[in-house]
Amino acid sequence: QLQLQESGPGLVKPSETLSLTCSVSGGSVSSHSFYWGWIRQPPGKGLEWIGSIYYTGRTYYKPSLKSRLNISVDTSKNHFSLRLTSVTAADTAIYYCAGPGIFDIWGQGTMVTVSS
Amino acid sequence: QSELTQPPSASGTPGQRVTISCSGDISNIGSNTANWYQQFPGTAPKLLIYSNNQRPSGVPERFSGSKSGSAASLAISGLQSEDEANYYCAAWDDSLNAWMFGGGTKLTVL
Repeated sequence: QLQLQESGPGLVKPSETLSLTCSVSGGSVSSHSFYWGWIRQPPGKGLEWIGSIYYTGRTYYKPSLKSRLNISVDTSKNHFSLRLTSVTAADTAIYYCAGPGIFDIWGQGTMVTVSS
Repeated sequence: QSELTQPPSASGTPGQRVTISCSGDISNIGSNTANWYQQFPGTAPKLLIYSNNQRPSGVPERFSGSKSGSAASLAISGLQSEDEANYYCAAWDDSLNAWMFGGGTKLTVL
């Protein structure tokens, strides 16, 4: 069955770039009509959608993050990735990847702390 | 501030029926379907209800959803202690081209 797994550094310095990858197994990231998303959850708070990418590469970003955000898909590696630049402490959160579509399946999440 | 509005907390006793509301506007719930997610502490969210009132395979029938206008509701009947969790609603917003989540409702089984 479809499984998602996030990977990336758990600690990022302020003003640097946060990079995460979501590996897809049990299915193809390029399957027709599927789109994939990133959602984060600051400690003790609710869920916040960050952005989504279609298998074609079309992206949708949360408006307030758009200037710092890039989401891409690599069909050859069957994964999609998140890059968030100029991070601050406010970007500290558990980052989840999810899909396809309405977030049927979620990765286990990865904690990212922004601190010097 | 969350884009969809949920009560921060709800409670009930075992066997009771509880309802959690999710208020949006014409550009999100009013134009699209609502989904609900259940999250236990320390774990990833799980899809509970999709397309307003559809249950994924494996979700008990005591969980149900509905929508009226720009608001959606999640109902849990025959409340059980293991239903104690956080519940989030979500819907696509056509104006912002973005997914909106509610702030979450913490359900306590007394």
